[in-house]
Amino acid sequence: DVKVTQSSRYLVKRTGEKVFLECVQDMDHENMFWYRQDPGLGLRLIYFSYDVKMKEKGDIPEGYSVSREKKERFSLILESASTNQTSMYLCASSSPTGTNQPQHFGDGTRLSIL
Amino acid sequence: GDSVTQMEGPVTLSEEAFLTINCTYTATGYPSLFWYVQYPGEGLQLLLKATKADDKGSNKGFEATYRKETTSFHLEKGSVQVSDSAVYFCALSDDNAGNMLTFGGGTRLMVKP
Repeated sequence: DVKVTQSSRYLVKRTGEKVFLECVQDMDHENMFWYRQDPGLGLRLIYFSYDVKMKEKGDIPEGYSVSREKKERFSLILESASTNQTSMYLCASSSPTGTNQPQHFGDGTRLSIL
Repeated sequence: GDSVTQMEGPVTLSEEAFLTINCTYTATGYPSLFWYVQYPGEGLQLLLKATKADDKGSNKGFEATYRKETTSFHLEKGSVQVSDSAVYFCALSDDNAGNMLTFGGGTRLMVKP
């Protein structure tokens, strides 16, 4: 089974801090994704990556950046955390072969910015 | 652009009741369709999928049929259990958009004993 591991289940940070959320997958997947999940808004794509050192903006990239130095690891960075970035963050990975390949999700990181 | 619309929840049912969660979509290409489930405190898990018209995906007693003529992919289960309480997401992957997923807003299901 595919395993997507997010480094923290719960995280509390302060406004203005630089925050790193880490995600590792063990299935040699090329594609990796970061979403945030908010009540009433569903899942919104922040950034995605199709290969090492490659990144593409999703629907809501403002205030975030990403890093993909190794194939198995995809990091989400909040450059200067703000209270409106309090949310559940979900990482996912998938194989690029065809469009019927599902995304596999981690358990999420619930981030609170105080 | 692509979009997925789900019925709003929460849906509250008694144990052993019949479940339907409606999902309709719009897409520019020929999408694959998915249902994901999120149990409390967890990430999303793939529940079932269908890749072409008239395909039926099924898993754990849940079923959904890809209906191209009505652009729908409704989720059904004949007899729900308390353990089915979760949030259910309908999603599509469009062959014009690589491996990207477009999600519906999610439907919370609460099953009472």
